Amino acid sequence: DIQMTQSPSSLSASVGDRLTITCRASQSISTYVNWYQQKSGKAPKLLIYAASSLQSGVPSRFSGSGSGTDFTLTITSLQPEDFATYYCQHSYSAPPTFGGGTKVEIK
Amino acid sequence: EVQLVESGGGLVQPGGSLRLSCAASGLTFRTQWMHWVRQAPGKGLIWVSRINGDATSTTYADFVKGRFTISRDNAEKTLYLQMSSLRVEDTAVYYCARSPTYNTLDFWGQGTLVTVSS
Repeated sequence: DIQMTQSPSSLSASVGDRLTITCRASQSISTYVNWYQQKSGKAPKLLIYAASSLQSGVPSRFSGSGSGTDFTLTITSLQPEDFATYYCQHSYSAPPTFGGGTKVEIK
Repeated sequence: EVQLVESGGGLVQPGGSLRLSCAASGLTFRTQWMHWVRQAPGKGLIWVSRINGDATSTTYADFVKGRFTISRDNAEKTLYLQMSSLRVEDTAVYYCARSPTYNTLDFWGQGTLVTVSS
């Protein structure tokens, strides 16, 4: 199975900050990576698919990049509604495993 | 508008069984891969199982193989997860999700809580 290692596991940031979350796959997976946002008590929401494609309706301050084994999710100018937990997931094969999550908290 | 509504969760004793349902609307259900993902309290997302549109292909995480069965009724637009030999560690919120392509999960239900406890 392909493992997804996400870092950091948590971070504190302020409104307006730029932040980057990274995800590393245990083997090369081309651009088969998705990013999800989950707010407390809610279902996950797809933000980015295929490493860098923005899901419809997602603000343009979210972006993704990477290929092979290393991937990043970037949020420019963090907004109050962005404080949540973020997960990467590979879609290369089954099982499509998730990273451990990054909890973004208010500084 | 795509809607997925899970039901069937509850409290069950270790070794017991439970069947979860996921009612779909607003999508061409019979053509969609569907998945189950779970989340233990305070923990991360764990993929559980998937099924293709005509139910000819199913895949399971190793930790549920032989205990859980995914199925679907395309006429009723409903996805199921039959869970048996339940363990305490199966306690989680179970989400159903749609996958339009390559295991990408673009719509999720609100989840149903399964608690396995004596």
